[in-house]
Amino acid sequence: QSVLTQPPSVSGAPGQRVTISCTGSSSNIGAGYDVHWYQQLPGTAPKLLIYGNSNRPSGVPDRFSGSKSGTSASLAITGLQAEDEADYYCQSYDSSLGYVFGTGTKVTVL
Amino acid sequence: QVTLKESGPVLVKPTETLTLTCTVSGFSLSNARMGVSWIRQPPGKALEWLAHIFSNDEKSYSTSLKSRLTISKDTSKSQVVLTMTNMDPVDTATYYCARMGGWKHFDYWGQGTLVTVSS
Repeated sequence: QSVLTQPPSVSGAPGQRVTISCTGSSSNIGAGYDVHWYQQLPGTAPKLLIYGNSNRPSGVPDRFSGSKSGTSASLAITGLQAEDEADYYCQSYDSSLGYVFGTGTKVTVL
Repeated sequence: QVTLKESGPVLVKPTETLTLTCTVSGFSLSNARMGVSWIRQPPGKALEWLAHIFSNDEKSYSTSLKSRLTISKDTSKSQVVLTMTNMDPVDTATYYCARMGGWKHFDYWGQGTLVTVSS
């Protein structure tokens, strides 16, 4: 049902860099709508991680960064830490469907 | 300090109507420029946006669920209410309310409330 596609899982060793892609289409990301990212720790509500493609809210470490190009966006986590193990979701707006979320990606720290 | 808190039944029967309330504090629904949304998450699945209400009372709904949803607000009570008719077991999920920021992102979320649909 999600119109934004993410890889189901990514993994990395502590200290490594991992990236999560978010692929959309011409009616959402490709139409110029901004992309936002959320982190969801087990059993908790999602938390805003990146807004407006690449902006970090106050308190979010600069290890997290976002980018957008064409019909896709990416979230990068550098210096991976055990506490980063969580589910990550992208979100944007679709001209036909309204606000849309990605399929979600589980990040595992090896 | 901005907070949102969902409340409503834990269990509903199939075909019943679900009514959920989101009580907010730390901001006013009359000048929360971008408004408040309801979002749900079935167990082990992805987030799904349901409905949104702006400060001017403009509303928008998920196209797939529009016929079953109604969103409203009571500014004096700082509450946003979502009703969903004809509940089905597939509607079992944690339901969240969230405030929308200026970039059409969700900057504050409630803790969520798990609703189970079962006879």
